[in-house]
Amino acid sequence: GEDVEQSLFLSVREGDSSVINCTYTDSSSTYLYWYKQEPGAGLQLLTYIFSNMDMKQDQRLTVLLNKKDKHLSLRIADTQTGDSAIYFCAESIRNTDKLIFGTGTRLQVFP
Amino acid sequence: NAGVTQTPKFRILKIGQSMTLQCTQDMNHNYMYWYRQDPGMGLKLIYYSVGAGITDKGEVPNGYNVSRSTTEDFPLRLELAAPSQTSVYFCASSYSLGNDGYTFGSGTRLTVV
Repeated sequence: GEDVEQSLFLSVREGDSSVINCTYTDSSSTYLYWYKQEPGAGLQLLTYIFSNMDMKQDQRLTVLLNKKDKHLSLRIADTQTGDSAIYFCAESIRNTDKLIFGTGTRLQVFP
Repeated sequence: NAGVTQTPKFRILKIGQSMTLQCTQDMNHNYMYWYRQDPGMGLKLIYYSVGAGITDKGEVPNGYNVSRSTTEDFPLRLELAAPSQTSVYFCASSYSLGNDGYTFGSGTRLTVV
């Protein structure tokens, strides 16, 4: 079945870059997403990438997609304390409007 | 725009009690979803709906029921609460999947004791 995997924790120093990784299983996914969840809040869409793209950049965020290895990554440049949150990747399931979410990676930024 | 509104934000239930988690959206989205979030487990799909009058089971539907009588509302019903249903519940909606993804509510934290 579909499964999306992420490491559970990442700790970085303020100002450094963060890289959050994700592997997915459905090679026919049309869209792949990154969501951010701050404490006590719902998930907010950060960015997405269409499956025919290799890379997408949006200000401090860079998404890389390796379709051969079914690997997705999110790089946050110049990480700030406000970036501390849980980050979820999600893949769309072909011919449905369902998303499968990963387990989430808790990013902790320390001064 | 209010987006997706969930009520209540918090609730404590006793084993065997029942309750309804409310979810409403004002974006005229066709698709609505209920997820539960458990620590280290990500989000699991409970039920979803592709339009008024249509609902379908997700990955973990046991112990829950839903209805979709209008486009705006998608309530989730727990009939006989069990401790395993202690979780944070999120409702989400989408027009259709694409570059907008889902819009999430702020969640309901439910504890069953």
